[in-house]
Amino acid sequence: SQQGEEDPQALSIQEGENATMNCSYKTSINNLQWYRQNSGRGLVHLILIRSNEREKHSGRLRVTLDTSKKSSSLLITASRAADTASYFCATVSYGGSQGNLIFGKGTKLSVKP
Amino acid sequence: ETGVTQSPTHLIKTRGQQVTLRCSSQSGHNTVSWYQQALGQGPQFIFQYYREEENGRGNFPPRFSGLQFPNYSSELNVNALELDDSALYLCASSSPLAGGADTQYFGPGTRLTVL
Repeated sequence: SQQGEEDPQALSIQEGENATMNCSYKTSINNLQWYRQNSGRGLVHLILIRSNEREKHSGRLRVTLDTSKKSSSLLITASRAADTASYFCATVSYGGSQGNLIFGKGTKLSVKP
Repeated sequence: ETGVTQSPTHLIKTRGQQVTLRCSSQSGHNTVSWYQQALGQGPQFIFQYYREEENGRGNFPPRFSGLQFPNYSSELNVNALELDDSALYLCASSSPLAGGADTQYFGPGTRLTVL
């Protein structure tokens, strides 16, 4: 079963605009990660934020985490056509010696040139 | 591009058949996880292998089984294929010593179609 729900399901913007995607999850987590997937291919890890962190930056990406609301957001600034992809949040909750990723359904981002 | 490779790229099978999918992990990674991604959905965790032992399993029936070899490569086997098994199967490798066990590096996937 999916842990998270991304919002919106689809987002269409112009190049240069900012894109914001949200993720909500249900259970306590160790960390939350964002991945990108191009056209049904493999996923690329973008950024990881731990449960004791509130905000993290990586290049044009900014991620926030609110554990009290069980939600996270991913902001992509100054978007480019190459950012067109599906974006997934994934949570890790430890139930053994290592965690597994529990993904949401994703946000499909389209950036028009 | 990660160093994780999967074979084959595409596969077509019929109901009731068996299939084996293969994954070579990134150099130095001792953990391999398998995910199933149906069209329009997020990936769903099937199971994870750590040093050749199953180290966690998602909500998948026993006809989904796996192996990990001494070189940390892995196989996913699915018996008695059903139409709903049609999906993209993703393999991911990780290591506590390389980016942390939680950061997973995905291969390009195997697209399985069951007719």
